[in-house]
Amino acid sequence: KQEVTQIPAALSVPEGENLVLNCSFTDSAIYNLQWFRQDPGKGLTSLLLIQSSQREQTSGRLNASLDKSSGRSTLYIAASQPGDSATYLCAVRRAGTALIFGKGTTLSVSS
Amino acid sequence: GAGVSQSPSNKVTEKGKDVELRCDPISGHTALYWYRQSLGQGLEFLIYFQGNSAPDKSGLPSDRFSAERTGGSVSTLTIQRTQQEDSAVYLCASSFRGSGVNEQFFGPGTRLTVL
Repeated sequence: KQEVTQIPAALSVPEGENLVLNCSFTDSAIYNLQWFRQDPGKGLTSLLLIQSSQREQTSGRLNASLDKSSGRSTLYIAASQPGDSATYLCAVRRAGTALIFGKGTTLSVSS
Repeated sequence: GAGVSQSPSNKVTEKGKDVELRCDPISGHTALYWYRQSLGQGLEFLIYFQGNSAPDKSGLPSDRFSAERTGGSVSTLTIQRTQQEDSAVYLCASSFRGSGVNEQFFGPGTRLTVL
């Protein structure tokens, strides 16, 4: 059974810092991995999707990497801003199935 | 609309009542998913529709939960005889399978409170 773990559960940083959020999964037979952002009381916003054949994806200040063989992904946020404060969720899926989510990392960026 | 929409945004009901939650996926998306997010828990999969195929119901927690998708578009999640442990945010997502990417786009959710 696939399990997804995110470390740390919570993170507080001052504005401007670069930071890394970690995601690990137990079954490497994934189709893709998605990183989401969730603001309090809101739905999920897709940030980046990495196909199983890819190593990384970039969008603005965000960079996500995937090492399928070791069951790991990282989300790198450069030059963090207070507006980045949110919960970040990692999710994996196999072909033809739904997403399996980690419990998220709650990020707080102080100005 | 451009995104996934869900209604109602909030629903308060009494224990034992039935509730219906609605999801309108992005136009043209063939796959539709329901998830549940309980307080202190992660997001858990409930049910998955793909085109005209039989839905994957493996995530439904009990036979009080059911869902249908009419005409390959709108979906309704029904919870019968609601219990307090059903209180959660119910999220719907859709994706376009044909792209090969299958990125899932989520709606804003329905917050269900069972008193």
